[in-house]
Amino acid sequence: DQQVKQNSPSLSVQEGRISILNCDYTNSMFDYFLWYKKYPAEGPTFLISISSIKDKNEDGRFTVFLNKSAKHLSLHIVPSQPGDSAVYFCAASGTSGTYKYIFGTGTRLKVLA
Amino acid sequence: EPEVTQTPSHQVTQMGQEVILRCVPISNHLYFYWYRQILGQKVEFLVSFYNNEISEKSEIFDDQFSVERPDGSNFTLKIRSTKLEDSAMYFCASQILTGGNGYTFGSGTRLTVV
Repeated sequence: DQQVKQNSPSLSVQEGRISILNCDYTNSMFDYFLWYKKYPAEGPTFLISISSIKDKNEDGRFTVFLNKSAKHLSLHIVPSQPGDSAVYFCAASGTSGTYKYIFGTGTRLKVLA
Repeated sequence: EPEVTQTPSHQVTQMGQEVILRCVPISNHLYFYWYRQILGQKVEFLVSFYNNEISEKSEIFDDQFSVERPDGSNFTLKIRSTKLEDSAMYFCASQILTGGNGYTFGSGTRLTVV
């Protein structure tokens, strides 16, 4: 039961260009969406989130876009830097008193110098 | 910057043995979680804990698993009789409030059951 899907297991981007990571979800009850970055041998690190009442949230080089009708969100990183190379997970959280996050399977981003 | 601390970083155990994974959440956080990631798979929710009790648990979190906050700082995950399929990275996380501000995860404990 994959409620949160990241269909691209990997992505390579040249330094300075835009990285676009995509995520789709199936559960219309999700109302918070988050992106986490994970380096090897470390725990996931929170990057940015968006509430379902918004369609865009920006924090420095990172922007998350939410298209509720398509049940799709994306993370844009501009400009991409070699230090951004990591696995990126999207996660979703619903209402009704649940605080758990449902994670996608991750996309490995490689930024080439 | 405050962090969530997990010990040990790597634990190897014999099948059928009990293991306790330890976590020290951020001191003023109120919500605590355990997640795991089997190699190459997604990060999966195990259990959430608030106000000294389990608030939610997944199907994975069966009778072999338990959590405890024995004092004001530690948060432990116990697996009573480990199975080979319990081999995974186990992540502890904490959060001051629920919502979109995200958890802070620890670095994880790699559990290897042999």
